[in-house]
Amino acid sequence: QVQLQESDSGLIKPSETLSLTCAVSGDSINTGGHSWSWIRQPPGKALEWIGSIYHSGSSYYNKSLKSRVTILVDRSENQFSLKLTSVTAADTAVYFCARDKNIWNHGVFDVWGLGTVVSVSS
Amino acid sequence: DIQMTQSPSSLSASVGDRVTITCRASQGINNNLAWYQQKPGKVPKLLVYAASTLQSGVPSRFSGGGSGTDFTLSISSLQPEDVATYYCQYYKSAPPEITFGQGTRLEIK
Repeated sequence: QVQLQESDSGLIKPSETLSLTCAVSGDSINTGGHSWSWIRQPPGKALEWIGSIYHSGSSYYNKSLKSRVTILVDRSENQFSLKLTSVTAADTAVYFCARDKNIWNHGVFDVWGLGTVVSVSS
Repeated sequence: DIQMTQSPSSLSASVGDRVTITCRASQGINNNLAWYQQKPGKVPKLLVYAASTLQSGVPSRFSGGGSGTDFTLSISSLQPEDVATYYCQYYKSAPPEITFGQGTRLEIK
């Protein structure tokens, strides 16, 4: 059974860089067939796609966040990461990592991590 | 960019009722539409993808329909455990573009 586990970030200060990792178990990032994504949800608000990384290593980002986001894969650790620079209070959210179904359904998320709460405050 | 608009934003219905949630895309998206259920404090759960394909393990009282710009998620007989917020999602690959609707909160009357 595939499981995803986000790391903790907790409380970070405005202008700092948010760094999260998503550890994958029960599947290998190296085998291909899936993309790996980050999605966030501010308190009481809707889900927002942050970006995705494909097996090829190519990453794609939400246009509204593109200038501040980097998603990378660590194949040796079977995990992928998110960096979001210059955070503000608007970046306070639950951050989820997710895997899509397969190559025919890229962007359909059938496996999610439990989410990690990130609070931005001075 | 494609915008996804759900209606209603909240809905109250009785156990056993048929419930329908609508999602409209700002332009045609073929059938690149998924639906998720998110119970309070929980992780989103995939219900439907490709507009009408039920995800494995999802009860058959859930169904999705539509194509182009207008889509629906229906629950044929509302159950207490269906209390949740439901999100539609547009998806496209190569390059990926993913947009969620604003959500529809479903409650039991």
